Amino acid sequence: DAGVIQSPRHEVTEMGQEVTLRCKPISGHDYLFWYRQTMMRGLELLIYFNNNVPIDDSGMPEDRFSAKMPNASFSTLKIQPSEPRDSAVYFCASSSGLRIPYFGPGTRLLVL
Amino acid sequence: RKEVEQDPGPFNVPEGATVAFNCTYSNSASQSFFWYRQDCRKEPKLLMSVYSSGNEDGRFTAQLNRASQYISLLIRDSKLSDSATYLCVVTTSGTYKYIFGTGTRLKVLA
Repeated sequence: DAGVIQSPRHEVTEMGQEVTLRCKPISGHDYLFWYRQTMMRGLELLIYFNNNVPIDDSGMPEDRFSAKMPNASFSTLKIQPSEPRDSAVYFCASSSGLRIPYFGPGTRLLVL
Repeated sequence: RKEVEQDPGPFNVPEGATVAFNCTYSNSASQSFFWYRQDCRKEPKLLMSVYSSGNEDGRFTAQLNRASQYISLLIRDSKLSDSATYLCVVTTSGTYKYIFGTGTRLKVLA
């Protein structure tokens, strides 16, 4: 079975550019999570969706960050404009109801 | 104070040793607890859930102490392949917010 799919796996961009990260959750999962991981802060929950509806976006750091889930099989996390401090690994995860989340392989973002 | 706190380590132990990690959480309403394992440059993966009565999975034992608000992970007979970062995860009743600790690094040495 396919797990959570994320693209791109690596992204290098310059400060000020728009970055779009993509995620395809596991088929049938109704919850989707976006996390960010850094050495200093560990794994932080940015936002999560239930049945494509954003439920809690309190972890989104700034207005520069936005996330959408237009359908059950696709979500995006956008950063515009990007800044060097946004450099991190961004993980997408999905779960079915009360079950634990399964993580995708992550997108390593470097903003120069 | 962080919601979930872990000693970052690293814990360097020889093969065959027993090692234990603790994790403390600040929210007394926390309901569910887990240990995840994360290998270098990989995604976190569920290692085991933590039940109130404690539970065991092979060489791994997890325990919960609600009174003192901590969970523990014990690894017996450490293997080289156990080298990883172990993340403590806590959720609160009525929410799907999984709160992760920053992890404890374990290095098992030959």
